[in-house]
Amino acid sequence: KAGVTQTPRYLIKTRGQQVTLSCSPISGHRSVSWYQQTPGQGLQFLFEYFSETQRNKGNFPGRFSGRQFSNSRSEMNVSTLELGDSALYLCASSNPHLSYEQYFGPGTRLTVT
Amino acid sequence: DQQVKQNSPSLSVQEGRISILNCDYTNSMFDYFLWYKKYPAEGPTFLISISSIKDKNEDGRFTVFLNKSAKHLSLHIVPSQPGDSAVYFCAASDSGTYKYIFGTGTRLKVLA
Repeated sequence: KAGVTQTPRYLIKTRGQQVTLSCSPISGHRSVSWYQQTPGQGLQFLFEYFSETQRNKGNFPGRFSGRQFSNSRSEMNVSTLELGDSALYLCASSNPHLSYEQYFGPGTRLTVT
Repeated sequence: DQQVKQNSPSLSVQEGRISILNCDYTNSMFDYFLWYKKYPAEGPTFLISISSIKDKNEDGRFTVFLNKSAKHLSLHIVPSQPGDSAVYFCAASDSGTYKYIFGTGTRLKVLA
């Protein structure tokens, strides 16, 4: 089975711009979660989607949003980028009917200048 | 409020010896726990999990122990190998919330 894929892998944006990141889960996985990783902060939960519905959301401003499509692919969007949004953005997929284990993609490295 | 803590930012162990990585949590509602290994510029790789109905789970060289009364879990790697050198994250979830809380990680270095 192919793993979780994320595109693009690297991105450089300017303050004030917006960005959209994409995640394709493992085939058959209907749950997709997004995390932000910054140095010293570990992985911070952004949101989780299942069957196109957001089931939970972390403590991030409204500039961070996401969605999931009927094929379980997910996108996250960050509007009005700030320097502090520079981070590694990771998505993880799981099949909650089988287990709670999450499998991560390689991440998208976003740099805001 | 850091609900999941990994108080040792780094650990060095000799090849062949046991590595013990620790994790503490504060939320008694957490009922599922995961350990991940992460190399630079890669996503975390799932290692092993444990649910709150168990106190031990073993998979090859990796064993996770859960002490619910102490709200503590640990990952044992025996024997440690140089390829185990990475950052290890523990994560905890209240399974009804569909949300994992991660610790800040422990960097393990296995010395040859």
